[in-house]
Amino acid sequence: EIVLTQSPDTLSLSPGERATLSCRASQSVSSTYLAWYQLKPGQPPRLLIYGASNRPTGIPDRFSGSGSGTDFTLTISRLEPEDFAVYYCQQYGNSRWTFGQGTKVEIK
Amino acid sequence: EVQVLESGGGLVQSGGSLRLSCAASGFTFTNYAMGWVRQAPGKGLEWVSFIGGSGTSTYYADSVKGRFTVSRDNSKNTLYLQMNSLRADDTADYYCAKGTSDGIAFDYWGQGTLVTVSS
Repeated sequence: EIVLTQSPDTLSLSPGERATLSCRASQSVSSTYLAWYQLKPGQPPRLLIYGASNRPTGIPDRFSGSGSGTDFTLTISRLEPEDFAVYYCQQYGNSRWTFGQGTKVEIK
Repeated sequence: EVQVLESGGGLVQSGGSLRLSCAASGFTFTNYAMGWVRQAPGKGLEWVSFIGGSGTSTYYADSVKGRFTVSRDNSKNTLYLQMNSLRADDTADYYCAKGTSDGIAFDYWGQGTLVTVSS
């Protein structure tokens, strides 16, 4: 089973700053099979990125994804107040879907 | 507008059973795979189960295999999760989620339904 490890566990930043979140896989993952989600208290998860770098309709372009192989990154170019949340990466492989442990982006 | 709405959560004793339902609307249900994902209190997201659009392909996390059964009724646009032999560590918010067109990710999620297993 592929294990996803996200870093850091917590990122303390101010609005307007750039956030860089990492997701490392225990073995190579096809870029097609890597997604990112945002989770806020009391709300369901929101798909932000699929296929490592594609944004669904309605997701602001300040969110971008990149990476390949075992290292993937979610970047938020300029943090808005509503972006403070927990972010999860997710991969698919061998009929299994796994999530990372999450990175919390908190207000500094 | 795509909507998925879970129901059926509640308090159950260890060893008991519960069936969750997920009513879907706003898309052609039979064309999309569906999944269940849970979040235990204070923990992260954990994939639980996945079912293909026709219902013939099903997959489970090791933690629930043999105890949980996913199914769907395409005539009713409804997804189900039958949970048996429940344990305290099954306590979580259970989310129903619509799969993307390739089934790799989940693009629409319900609000979740809370399952609490008392020991």
